[in-house]
Amino acid sequence: DAGVTQSPTHLIKTRGQQVTLRCSPKSGHDTVSWYQQALGQGPQFIFQYYEEEERQRGNFPDRFSGHQFPNYSSELNVNALLLGDSALYLCASSPTPRASGNYEQYFGPGTRLTVT
Amino acid sequence: SQKIEQNSEALNIQEGKTATLTCNYTNYSPAYLQWYRQDPGRGPVFLLLIRENEKEKRKERLKVTFDTTLKQSLFHITASQPADSATYLCALDFPLSSASKIIFGSGTRLSIRP
Repeated sequence: DAGVTQSPTHLIKTRGQQVTLRCSPKSGHDTVSWYQQALGQGPQFIFQYYEEEERQRGNFPDRFSGHQFPNYSSELNVNALLLGDSALYLCASSPTPRASGNYEQYFGPGTRLTVT
Repeated sequence: SQKIEQNSEALNIQEGKTATLTCNYTNYSPAYLQWYRQDPGRGPVFLLLIRENEKEKRKERLKVTFDTTLKQSLFHITASQPADSATYLCALDFPLSSASKIIFGSGTRLSIRP
């Protein structure tokens, strides 16, 4: 049973460019959350997708957008990249929110984005 | 806004001793509080969850307490081993009707010396 997978592993972009990161959730999970983790900091919640809709959003600008597909996989898009967007981007999956009584999130290995 | 403070950036413990990590928060008490372990270059791994109406939760050598009056959670690792060396993150979990919002602390780096 594959866990959460993310692609690519590493990415280097230039300021002003756009980037798309991808995530496949753990089998049986239908909820996907995205986090940004700067070096030495904890993950910062970006948004959560469930039933192909954004259900909750953290304090991130509209340059950050996402999508969830019918197979529950998800994409994170960042437009007009800034140097400050350099970070580890983590995807986490979980079962249907609260329905199963199982609240733990399973994280992927992350995508390391460097903006130059 | 909600703030989380985890004790000092790094904690060094002698093997075999009990490591105690602290998580303090301001404002609202979460319905759930979670603890994760993160190794360098990897995503966090879920360890334990404790509900607001629970005082203590145990799992093998791990123990978590939750005091909503003090707005504090303590995370204990008994009989610590060098393999326990990692960064430990606490997270406040605020469930909503159709979603959840999880806020992480910045983590405590734990080193267990032989």
